[in-house]
Amino acid sequence: DAKTTQPNSMESNEEEPVHLPCNHSTISGTDYIHWYRQLPSQGPEYVIHGLTSNVNNRMASLAIAEDRKSSTLILHRATLRDAAVYYCILRDRNNFNKFYFGSGTKLNVKP
Amino acid sequence: NAGVTQTPKFQVLKTGQSMTLQCAQDMNHNSMYWYRQDPGMGLRLIYYSASEGTTDKGEVPNGYNVSRLNKREFSLRLESAAPSQTSVYFCASSEAPGTSYYEQYFGPGTRLTVT
Repeated sequence: DAKTTQPNSMESNEEEPVHLPCNHSTISGTDYIHWYRQLPSQGPEYVIHGLTSNVNNRMASLAIAEDRKSSTLILHRATLRDAAVYYCILRDRNNFNKFYFGSGTKLNVKP
Repeated sequence: NAGVTQTPKFQVLKTGQSMTLQCAQDMNHNSMYWYRQDPGMGLRLIYYSASEGTTDKGEVPNGYNVSRLNKREFSLRLESAAPSQTSVYFCASSEAPGTSYYEQYFGPGTRLTVT
């Protein structure tokens, strides 16, 4: 199963953009790239997903490298509520039930 | 809508005791999942149920059994609890593939301690 590599932690200032990187050099052609985040003492929540093209939604943007071996989650203006652990996950389109979360990036947002 | 609910929220067991964690969803989702999360770690899939009447092993199934009681409910049973099963357990659900299957909805978790 393809795995992802993320920095253990990152820090940002409130109202500034945040770029959270993820490496997935063994990604296969059928793997979707998903991002979830987990606020303290809560279950994870969906943020965004993509396959090849960059994606935007109300929460964030996802930039995918042309060779798909890396991606970046972009929070355009970090708020204190965005302090969480962010997980980059590969999901096989042919085996959609299996998620591998990894240990994620803990984002700290400073006021 | 309550989304995904889990009971109990907290539980302490002695080694060798058994218990069942309950999960229910009211979103009419076909697929349901059980994960465990150890301190400082990401989630690991224990079992999943792609549809009512089916269950399959995930990454760490040993020591657990599951039952998909109906479309709404998916339970996780520990037959003989061990200290290594001390963890936070999350239930999740999602729609079937071919629809908006990309998003999993998670419950609030059950914090289990085995002494």
